[in-house]
Amino acid sequence: GAGVSQSPSNKVTEKGKDVELRCDPISGHTALYWYRQSLGQGLEFLIYFQGNSAPDKSGLPSDRFSAERTGGSVSTLTIQRTQQEDSAVYLCASSSYRAHTGELFFGEGSRLTVL
Amino acid sequence: SQQGEEDPQALSIQEGENATMNCSYKTSINNLQWYRQNSGRGLVHLILIRSNEREKHSGRLRVTLDTSKKSSSLLITASRAADTASYFCATGGSNYKLTFGKGTLLTVNP
Repeated sequence: GAGVSQSPSNKVTEKGKDVELRCDPISGHTALYWYRQSLGQGLEFLIYFQGNSAPDKSGLPSDRFSAERTGGSVSTLTIQRTQQEDSAVYLCASSSYRAHTGELFFGEGSRLTVL
Repeated sequence: SQQGEEDPQALSIQEGENATMNCSYKTSINNLQWYRQNSGRGLVHLILIRSNEREKHSGRLRVTLDTSKKSSSLLITASRAADTASYFCATGGSNYKLTFGKGTLLTVNP
């Protein structure tokens, strides 16, 4: 398909383990965003990649969170030493514009449960 | 912090009725967007209205924007059961971050 693809769709892990979440954006989209959505809440901005520019990591909640985007395409969000409060749906979105001029295309999300 | 705040938090109507959701925000914006999220799914873009526009239509959707009051409304006419979802407003400012509210949960009863 031509949409944003995220994997895994569901991940259950034990507290203290590391997890990796993957996002495949729409081909040709230069902008890629990660958001976190806790139960019944809105979307919390985590990180933004635009082309070859340095990413905006200002939304990452702690140094246990990190993200990479290789070759300007696939992105991986890594959470180290997971805590129960990390349980949420992690949403990836891509765009061909800066967000203030265009729409975001979202993946279906990765639901993380930390036991 | 979240820029947009939707009102009401939840709305339940009968099929065929109109649904109105409101969004208020705090700082100046470049544009405002509305998204829909079906349960357990990703968000889908519905409509974008720029700061110099006052009203926009798309099918059964009508969006208004009042920058003096820092508010927007989304009207869904002749609602259908398939419109049941959460609706989020998102604001884009001079930077590139799209900031989302907590959403309105709309239930359309058949």
